[in-house]
Amino acid sequence: RKEVEQDPGPFNVPEGATVAFNCTYSNSASQSFFWYRQDCRKEPKLLMSVYSSGNEDGRFTAQLNRASQYISLLIRDSKLSDSATYLCVVNPYNTDKLIFGTGTRLQVFP
Amino acid sequence: EPEVTQTPSHQVTQMGQEVILRCVPISNHLYFYWYRQILGQKVEFLVSFYNNEISEKSEIFDDQFSVERPDGSNFTLKIRSTKLEDSAMYFCASSFIQGTGELFFGEGSRLTVL
Repeated sequence: RKEVEQDPGPFNVPEGATVAFNCTYSNSASQSFFWYRQDCRKEPKLLMSVYSSGNEDGRFTAQLNRASQYISLLIRDSKLSDSATYLCVVNPYNTDKLIFGTGTRLQVFP
Repeated sequence: EPEVTQTPSHQVTQMGQEVILRCVPISNHLYFYWYRQILGQKVEFLVSFYNNEISEKSEIFDDQFSVERPDGSNFTLKIRSTKLEDSAMYFCASSFIQGTGELFFGEGSRLTVL
């Protein structure tokens, strides 16, 4: 089983749509979780941390299910500028040796 | 906004040559990292560096690789004898506190080994 697994997509959605991405991780002892965003040929940028109780930042909602080892990201009211690859990231031992998924590509069209 | 800067943006080299990639982390950050991304693949951890020494490294970071912080501002990655499979985007990152997962990445240095 891969350490961090994501559906590569692409997800093609119209502006205004709601879209959800999922991710699973293999190390049940993992401590912290994140979603990063990566634009084409650019560096990863932190989008949001994922907390056990779930958390929201504007149009973005992240959730964690430790029992199922599953993380999700929900984007509401998609914008053209949301088009990017969304990377699920696990920090297994809080050392910042981050484990990245291969990413899920989102394309928002007008 | 403070940022991590990397040079060169792109380097082409012959197999067997030495390459040095340079990074200037954000000035008050204490933890430094190199990650790499082979085209079409995931971002992979190479090494972390704190207090002038390596704190952790991956199995990719073999004897051909070394890191240095020569002057208090630059953070370099050296590949002694490049191989074809070293072709990748190399990202430098820094953070102020360890363990937050909040890393600030540079724009990357693309290395092409011929």
